[in-house]
Amino acid sequence: NAGVTQTPKFQVLKTGQSMTLQCAQDMNHEYMSWYRQDPGMGLRLIHYSVGAGITDQGEVPNGYNVSRSTTEDFPLRLLSAAPSQTSVYFCASRRTAIREQYFGPGTRLTVT
Amino acid sequence: AQSVTQPDIHITVSEGASLELRCNYSYGATPYLFWYVQSPGQGLQLLLKYFSGDTLVQGIKGFEAEFKRSQSSFNLRKPSVHWSDAAEYFCAVGSTDSWGKLQFGAGTQVVVTP
Repeated sequence: NAGVTQTPKFQVLKTGQSMTLQCAQDMNHEYMSWYRQDPGMGLRLIHYSVGAGITDQGEVPNGYNVSRSTTEDFPLRLLSAAPSQTSVYFCASRRTAIREQYFGPGTRLTVT
Repeated sequence: AQSVTQPDIHITVSEGASLELRCNYSYGATPYLFWYVQSPGQGLQLLLKYFSGDTLVQGIKGFEAEFKRSQSSFNLRKPSVHWSDAAEYFCAVGSTDSWGKLQFGAGTQVVVTP
C-alpha cells in the first residue's frame, strides 16, 4: 500500500489564483480530512469527510472547498488564494471503526 | 470549550538525559489521545496512542506516556534521548462523539545538545 499520498509537495501561487491540492489513499478508509499547520498553532482541521458524497466543515473552512466523489480521493480546492493561506497542508485518513489517523507527507503552499 | 495545551513551546535537553513533554486537555466526552512526532520537513509519525485500559502506554522509539484522568494530562516521556529525537512533538485529542476529528496542541520543539 502507498498509504496516503499528496501532490504537489511544494507550490507557489499568486494572490487570486486557484488550485487543487490532491489527496489519495489506497487503504479503503472511510474517513478523510484536511489540516493546515502553522507555526505555534499545531494542526487545525479544515474539512473532513466520513464517506463518499459526505463532507463537513472543520475549525477553519473559509476559503477552501472539498468534495468526495470516491472513497480514495479527497481534493482540497482554493478558489482564490490569499497570503493567509500560506501554510503546510496535511491530508489524513482512517477507518471509521479505528481511531488512528494516517497522515500524508504534506504540501507546502506559499501565496505571494 | 475543548482544548489541548502543550505548555512548553521549546525544550533543550542533553543527549542521554531524560525527556518529559507535557500535554493537558479539556474535553467534555471520553477522550482518546495521541502523540505524534514531526521531523523537519516531514509528515507526522504516530508515537503512541491511548484509547482505554492501562494508563501507561508504550510507543515506538522508546517513548511512553501516562494518562492521568484526574489531572487531564497525557505526558510523554523518554528515559534517555538520542540526537535523532530532535523534532517537534504534537499531542492530539479526539473523542468517539466527534467523528474522529482530532484537536492538536501547538507543539513542543525539542532540541538535543551533545
